[in-house]
Amino acid sequence: EGQLVESGGGLVQPGGSLRLSCAASGFTFSSYWMTWVRQAPGKGLEWVANIKTDGSEKYYVDSVKGRFSISRDNAKNSLFLQMDSLRAEDTAVYFCARKRPTYADSWGQGTLVTVSS
Amino acid sequence: QSALTQPASVSGSPGQSITISCTAPSSDVVGYKYVSWYQQHPGKAPKLMIYEVSNRPSGVPDRFTGSKFGNTASLTISGLQAEDEADYYCCSYRSYSTPWVFGGGTKLTVL
Repeated sequence: EGQLVESGGGLVQPGGSLRLSCAASGFTFSSYWMTWVRQAPGKGLEWVANIKTDGSEKYYVDSVKGRFSISRDNAKNSLFLQMDSLRAEDTAVYFCARKRPTYADSWGQGTLVTVSS
Repeated sequence: QSALTQPASVSGSPGQSITISCTAPSSDVVGYKYVSWYQQHPGKAPKLMIYEVSNRPSGVPDRFTGSKFGNTASLTISGLQAEDEADYYCCSYRSYSTPWVFGGGTKLTVL
């Protein structure tokens, strides 16, 4: 089924940047689309971004377009989320997940991003 | 994005059955084809319980069943157990460019 481990979260000031990483193991990482989903404190789940197997296609929720960038390194079985111009409303636990055709079947434990001065 | 409406909370006693509904706007029935359900315990990652309306991943007990009629999908849990107490989220898949819309979540309490 695979394992996903996120890292890179922390406290950052509004307008700052952060880069999240997700290390994948136990499956052929390069064969799967990957995704980031976030969850604000006490709130529900929100899809953030998807990336195709080879990184050639990337999609974002409107609220992060132009500020966040998803990428991957298949040689290192790693997924990334570069987050710039961070806002208070970006405060959330960020989960990486393996994307299947219409669902996500394997999730990491998440990493907390707090945007506050 | 269309919103999916779930009840904020449901409850049941051990051994009983409960159903959690997930309703899409009536204008969105055509696109409401691929529904999945996720279970999330506090502080934990979501876990896939049902995909494409009624399919169970390997390892998910058959006490969990999914269905859909019109613009309402449902998750039924029979033979409630204490470990079923969690938040449950429905999710609708639209396309690869704007894939997922989640419901607001339902807190299941096992009395």
